[in-house]
Amino acid sequence: DTAVSQTPKYLVTQMGNDKSIKCEQNLGHDTMYWYKQDSKKFLKIMFSYNNKELIINETVPNRFSPKSPDKAHLNLHINSLELGDSAVYFCASSQSPGQGKNEQFFGPGTRLTVL
Amino acid sequence: SQQGEEDPQALSIQEGENATMNCSYKTSINNLQWYRQNSGRGLVHLILIRSNEREKHSGRLRVTLDTSKKSSSLLITASRAADTASYFCATVPFSGGYNKLIFGAGTRLAVHP
Repeated sequence: DTAVSQTPKYLVTQMGNDKSIKCEQNLGHDTMYWYKQDSKKFLKIMFSYNNKELIINETVPNRFSPKSPDKAHLNLHINSLELGDSAVYFCASSQSPGQGKNEQFFGPGTRLTVL
Repeated sequence: SQQGEEDPQALSIQEGENATMNCSYKTSINNLQWYRQNSGRGLVHLILIRSNEREKHSGRLRVTLDTSKKSSSLLITASRAADTASYFCATVPFSGGYNKLIFGAGTRLAVHP
């Protein structure tokens, strides 16, 4: 009965590779997010989708491309991985903005290590 | 830059004591939320306080909000070892219309038995 799940939990890869992280939520939410948590534990939003439409796109390199095939899924594809991409990536979901319930539900995170 | 700043960065207390964490932010907000993160895990929502509210309670948690000072505090009363975690405040900016959380740097709380 996992609410927000991510795969894989750990990802170790070489510089220059392309990798994807998948996220799924079974909460019936319309909005999903990707956050990056760096080694100093700073959390920063990267993207948000509402009903499969991109609504938040922070200043993230073009190498990062989110894809939302449906409301319950938001995947993150990263091209040409760099050392600085090493971080923990969290997926989250919530009800639509404006519905008055702003709390976000987070997945367990994917620890990406680029060698 | 990060919107929120939290202090202290780290807090170490004994079980049964109260823990107070503070958060400051820079711009007008719609609401402010507190989250807990256990080591190696995702974040868990604790409590939300809207910009027109001054104080909110949930179990052993008490949150205050002072919009004139752009600051909030989280008080955990009668702390337990299980409260050991990092605590983050996050603001939803007033403008934008989207549910964008801007996080503070977090406070690492250690509660010793």
